[in-house]
Amino acid sequence: SAVISQKPSRDICQRGTSLTIQCQVDSQVTMMFWYRQQPGQSLTLIATANQGSEATYESGFVIDKFPISRPNLTFSTLTVSNMSPEDSSIYLCSVGGEGYTFGSGTRLTVV
Amino acid sequence: QKEVEQDPGPLSVPEGAIVSLNCTYSNSAFQYFMWYRQYSRKGPELLMYTYSSGNKEDGRFTAQVDKSSKYISLFIRDSQPSDSATYLCAIGVFGNEKLTFGTGTRLTIIP
Repeated sequence: SAVISQKPSRDICQRGTSLTIQCQVDSQVTMMFWYRQQPGQSLTLIATANQGSEATYESGFVIDKFPISRPNLTFSTLTVSNMSPEDSSIYLCSVGGEGYTFGSGTRLTVV
Repeated sequence: QKEVEQDPGPLSVPEGAIVSLNCTYSNSAFQYFMWYRQYSRKGPELLMYTYSSGNKEDGRFTAQVDKSSKYISLFIRDSQPSDSATYLCAIGVFGNEKLTFGTGTRLTIIP
């Protein structure tokens, strides 16, 4: 299965600022997925990122708030924009296959 | 009604015990089933992947699927303190990349 390197692993940010999270995969993949995991809650899909096209966002998530880049088949970024304390969460990238592989997550705290 | 229901626990059992973790789902269209283990401050790690009713065994882990009852289970035999983690079930439909996750069960194995 693929190996995903995700960074940063954690960050504390001021409200109103933006944070960009990076995911690097050790093999070429068609789709990459971005999830949010809020405390005590299940994983929620934010968007699906295909190389060469705009990301597809799930209900409740918009591109202005969570812009995604997918410049090639091994890399993607998720930006959390204009952050508020409600954005404090763990953000995870994932790739498919037989079972889905996840990065180690980015624990974001907004103060 | 949630698409996937999972007992959040927490669940504490003594070392060596058999652990049973369970999820129910509401939509009979779901076709494949996964169990993830998530240690604190880490991303989810795929443990088991199956798409047929019945049992699938991998070492101390057994995944059980009953599609007629819409019920999936993960059994851990000879539980070890290193099994202490949050366990998440996830289900999906072939051709649709979106997974649906349970809320996770926090498990503690007491030495």
